[in-house]
Amino acid sequence: GQQLNQSPQSMFIQEGEDVSMNCTSSSIFNTWLWYKQEPGEGPVLLIALYKAGELTSNGRLTAQFGITRKDSFLNISASIPSDVGIYFCAAKSGGSNYKLTFGKGTLLTVNP
Amino acid sequence: GAVVSQHPSWVICKSGTSVKIECRSLDFQATTMFWYRQFPKQSLMLMATSNEGSKATYEQGVEKDKFLINHASLTLSTLTVTSAHPEDSSFYICSAKCLAGCQLGTDTQYFGPGTRLTVL
Repeated sequence: GQQLNQSPQSMFIQEGEDVSMNCTSSSIFNTWLWYKQEPGEGPVLLIALYKAGELTSNGRLTAQFGITRKDSFLNISASIPSDVGIYFCAAKSGGSNYKLTFGKGTLLTVNP
Repeated sequence: GAVVSQHPSWVICKSGTSVKIECRSLDFQATTMFWYRQFPKQSLMLMATSNEGSKATYEQGVEKDKFLINHASLTLSTLTVTSAHPEDSSFYICSAKCLAGCQLGTDTQYFGPGTRLTVL
């Protein structure tokens, strides 16, 4: 089945540092999504990517849809304590298949 | 836009009872909703796809008679955990597929805040 390999599994950084995480797969996807989940909450959509090579920003967050359609990365610049949470990548194949494949998540801890 | 609510946010029940969880899309219509289950420190596991006006599609290994899904309107899907047992204790999250007018893109899933189920 389709799998997303998300790395790193966890990160411990100092406030103000930049963060980068990525997801790779052996399968091709038509949509890449990045979600953030805080404890006891559902995932919140951060960025959606629909075209290969697309680079999209949302505030301090930047994500790219890999040109091969098999990978994506998420960067967070100038991290702040409220960036703490688990970040999940998710991807979807095309057509009428609406199901998402999720990565295992990256736990981000920001030290003030 | 694209707000999804769940009710209740948490529930504690006795073994053998049934529990109903509601998922609502508050400001958009959703012909398709999804139910996920998440164990601590793990990713989301898709249980079933809920389609308005038709039967849900269950993932392999998910008992359809155990987890009853009803999607009676374009804004509401319900998941009923029947004869719940302690092993059913988990965090249940729904999502709704936005077709149009959503801030971060259409044809993508927006998640509810989740429901923590504890079966004693």
